[in-house]
Amino acid sequence: GESVGLHLPTLSVQEGDNSIINCAYSNSASDYFIWYKQESGKGPQFIIDIRSNMDKRQGQRVTVLLNKTVKHLSLQIAATQPGDSAVYFCAENMVQGAQKLVFGQGTRLTINP
Amino acid sequence: GAVVSQHPSRVICKSGTSVKIECRSLDFQATTMFWYRQFPKQSLMLMATSNEGSKATYEQGVEKDKFLINHASLTLSTLTVTSAHPEDSSFYICSSHPPGPSGTEAFFGQGTRLTVV
Repeated sequence: GESVGLHLPTLSVQEGDNSIINCAYSNSASDYFIWYKQESGKGPQFIIDIRSNMDKRQGQRVTVLLNKTVKHLSLQIAATQPGDSAVYFCAENMVQGAQKLVFGQGTRLTINP
Repeated sequence: GAVVSQHPSRVICKSGTSVKIECRSLDFQATTMFWYRQFPKQSLMLMATSNEGSKATYEQGVEKDKFLINHASLTLSTLTVTSAHPEDSSFYICSSHPPGPSGTEAFFGQGTRLTVV
C-alpha cells in the first residue's frame, strides 16, 4: 500500500493478549511481502516475510497471513510483551524486480501492562 | 542478519548549508542501496536507488540536484542534502539487500535525524 501521509492507525492491547495488524497492498504484481517493526528513532527491523506462493507463514510468536484475492496482509503477534510496542509496517516488492520496497501506512501498536 | 550502518544518527544544520549522510554495508558488498525519507508519523518513502559505479535513480518528485547520491564503493553510499531548508528536516534511512538466496530481504540502517534550523 502506498503511504498517503495520514496519521498512523493505532492499536492497543493488553500484555499477554494476541494482536492482529492489517495491511492492504496496492500492486497485484507484487509477490514478496515483508513486515517490519520500527521503534522510535530507529530504522525498520525485519520481522517476517512471505512470498505469494504461500498464504501463511509462522515465526517465533508471529504469523503472517496473505490473501492475494483481496490484496490483504496481516501480522499476528501472540502473547504480546511490552517490547512489542512499536510501529509496524508492511512492505511489498517483486522478487524479480528492482527490489524497491513500497511501504504501507503503518500501525502503532501499544502494549498495556 | 546483515548489518547496515548509518552515520551520523543525528545532525542539526543551518539553512543553506549541506549535510552528508553515510550508509555502509558492514559485512556484505552492496551494489545497490536505497535511500528513504520518513516524516513524523508517516511511512517510509523511497527517494532514490543508489547504484555502485553509476548514477543514482531518483523517484518521481525527488530533486536529484538537491539530494546528491554517491556510491563509489561496494560498501558505501552517501546522501548529501544540499542547501538544506527547514522543510528538509526529516528522518533519512538507507537500506540494502545482501546477495544470496534471501536477496530480497532488506536490511536498514539506524536512520539519520536531520534538523535544519
